Amino acid sequence: AQSVTQLGSHVSVSEGALVLLRCNYSSSVPPYLFWYVQYPNQGLQLLLKYTSAATLVKGINGFEAEFKKSETSFHLTKPSAHMSDAAEYFCAVSDAGNNRKLIWGLGTSLAVNP
Amino acid sequence: DADVTQTPRNRITKTGKRIMLECSQTKGHDRMYWYRQDPGLGLQLIYYSFDVKDINKGEISDGYSVSRQAQAKFSLSLESAIPNQTALYFCATSDNRANGYTFGSGTRLTVV
Repeated sequence: AQSVTQLGSHVSVSEGALVLLRCNYSSSVPPYLFWYVQYPNQGLQLLLKYTSAATLVKGINGFEAEFKKSETSFHLTKPSAHMSDAAEYFCAVSDAGNNRKLIWGLGTSLAVNP
Repeated sequence: DADVTQTPRNRITKTGKRIMLECSQTKGHDRMYWYRQDPGLGLQLIYYSFDVKDINKGEISDGYSVSRQAQAKFSLSLESAIPNQTALYFCATSDNRANGYTFGSGTRLTVV
């Protein structure tokens, strides 16, 4: 069965510091992988996705993620954190079957300190 | 207008009451999903629908029912609300495995 593990339910960084949010997945087929962001009192918004093209994927707001098959990882990074990046981040993998369900990690709450 | 619209945005209801949460979309997507979100538990799938005639239970369907009135509309009902159904509820749509989901803004439900 497919699964997603997000290491660290809470991450705190200083403004201007590197953001690294970790995601590991298990999948028996080539995965489609996604990162979503949820700002306070809002729905989830797609940040970026990997769909078997380039392994380094660039998303919105300066975020990017690298698909590493050998490590079954899809970590999210941003070189310099802004206060506005404070949010909940979710990693997801697309179910291998035809039902297109997303399998979700439990989320990582990112705090950005001034 | 939002691609996926959920109503109401907030609702407080009493234990034992029936309540319906509504979701409509203008994306033209065939698949629709209902999730609940609780702190620390991530997103839990309640029900999902492939089309108007195809409804499927998710991980936590007990106490909930759904209706797919049209391709664009997917409603979630709590027949007899209980306090542990207090949560944030999201509707989502999809058309293609590679595109992921489009989410509504959520309904914050409080059962007192």
